[in-house]
Amino acid sequence: DTAVSQTPKYLVTQMGNDKSIKCEQNLGHDTMYWYKQDSKKFLKIMFSYNNKELIINETVPNRFSPKSPDKAHLNLHINSLELGDSAVYFCASSQGQGASNYGYTFGSGTRLTVV
Amino acid sequence: ILNVEQSPQSLHVQEGDSTNFTCSFPSSNFYALHWYRWETAKSPEALFVMTLNGDEKKKGRISATLNTKEGYSYLYIKGSQPEDSATYLCAFRRGAGTALIFGKGTTLSVSS
Repeated sequence: DTAVSQTPKYLVTQMGNDKSIKCEQNLGHDTMYWYKQDSKKFLKIMFSYNNKELIINETVPNRFSPKSPDKAHLNLHINSLELGDSAVYFCASSQGQGASNYGYTFGSGTRLTVV
Repeated sequence: ILNVEQSPQSLHVQEGDSTNFTCSFPSSNFYALHWYRWETAKSPEALFVMTLNGDEKKKGRISATLNTKEGYSYLYIKGSQPEDSATYLCAFRRGAGTALIFGKGTTLSVSS
């Protein structure tokens, strides 16, 4: 069983379209994250949710909107896609948002290509 | 701006060599330091989470140390094997309610 699963794995779409990436974790974790891997392979935090509540919202264009229907799911919706949105997006989860001892479990990533 | 610096950026060693990498992070407001192993075409996997100054963690041939007062952590690999080839990421957390801030990683290549 995949602990953190993202769909789709690959997404090619045209500029201006709206798309969503889904993430689900079956670990019982209470905190989920979206990271963006930029062109220099650098992982940057975008959002974090704890028990469906938004706790971290970094400087991300408001075209990006996360949605957490329950603590096992954190989806990422992107409006009006731009060329610069092309990247690999990673979902992750952890237990204990306030605790310091837990590593993150990552999904396998979604490679988004905007053409 | 919080910076997590890793060095070297890449490293190539022969099978059997021992090696180490460095992670530097802000020494103020320390909460936790993570190490991850990231193989090509896979997702990052947690190796260690360290929280106390002087912490030392070990998993097989891989170990890590932590100095929070001076803001650095070392990752050591003893007797490198080709399967150790991966990018090793460190990540810093400055407090509860904050996310991990990742370094750019050290890419290790081990030749047989």
